[in-house]
Amino acid sequence: DGGITQSPKYLFRKEGQNVTLSCEQNLNHDAMYWYRQDPGQGLRLIYYSQIVNDFQKGDIAEGYSVSREKKESFPLTVTSAQKNPTAFYLCASSMGTSGRAWNEQFFGPGTRLTVL
Amino acid sequence: AQSVSQHNHHVILSEAASLELGCNYSYGGTVNLFWYVQYPGQHLQLLLKYFSGDPLVKGIKGFEAEFIKSKFSFNLRKPSVQWSDTAEYFCAVRDNFNKFYFGSGTKLNVKP
Repeated sequence: DGGITQSPKYLFRKEGQNVTLSCEQNLNHDAMYWYRQDPGQGLRLIYYSQIVNDFQKGDIAEGYSVSREKKESFPLTVTSAQKNPTAFYLCASSMGTSGRAWNEQFFGPGTRLTVL
Repeated sequence: AQSVSQHNHHVILSEAASLELGCNYSYGGTVNLFWYVQYPGQHLQLLLKYFSGDPLVKGIKGFEAEFIKSKFSFNLRKPSVQWSDTAEYFCAVRDNFNKFYFGSGTKLNVKP
């Protein structure tokens, strides 16, 4: 089955700790994205990567970091510098710009992070 | 930067009522347009998309949307809603750099 997996589904962390959220896709997509979803605010882009070993900041990158060492994987680290990290985090992927066809994003099931 | 506005934050309808959810975007260049739906406890999934051609696009579950370039709009419609349409709906725009912008979402509550 092709798709995007995110783990864990629920994550709890103590204030001051860094935590890494996993995102893996087997769709052979070039582009991957991390969003944060808060009630009434829609999806806000944290980081995105159009290709392996390259990524760009989104609209709310402060306090977050990413890596893209493999095409299939795009982990997100929520650092202690993120002032309000409790949220629902969504990972997505798309074919990107390398192909002729434009395509939509596919989403993972999300990780709900709670900072205690 | 692009922005996407969804003016209806919360809509309550009775079954069989007609639905129209507004979506406006700000980017003046070539865009691709999408509507996504998030049913309670489920993944975000694609309802429909517009890339080019006929501005009236049909999606899954009887939904359709019309792209009006002059109004920068991409409103979602359904002639007769069902209780199972209760969900949150997101409009999204992709720019030429493969960056996606989402609206704040509209929660639809359909009363049986």
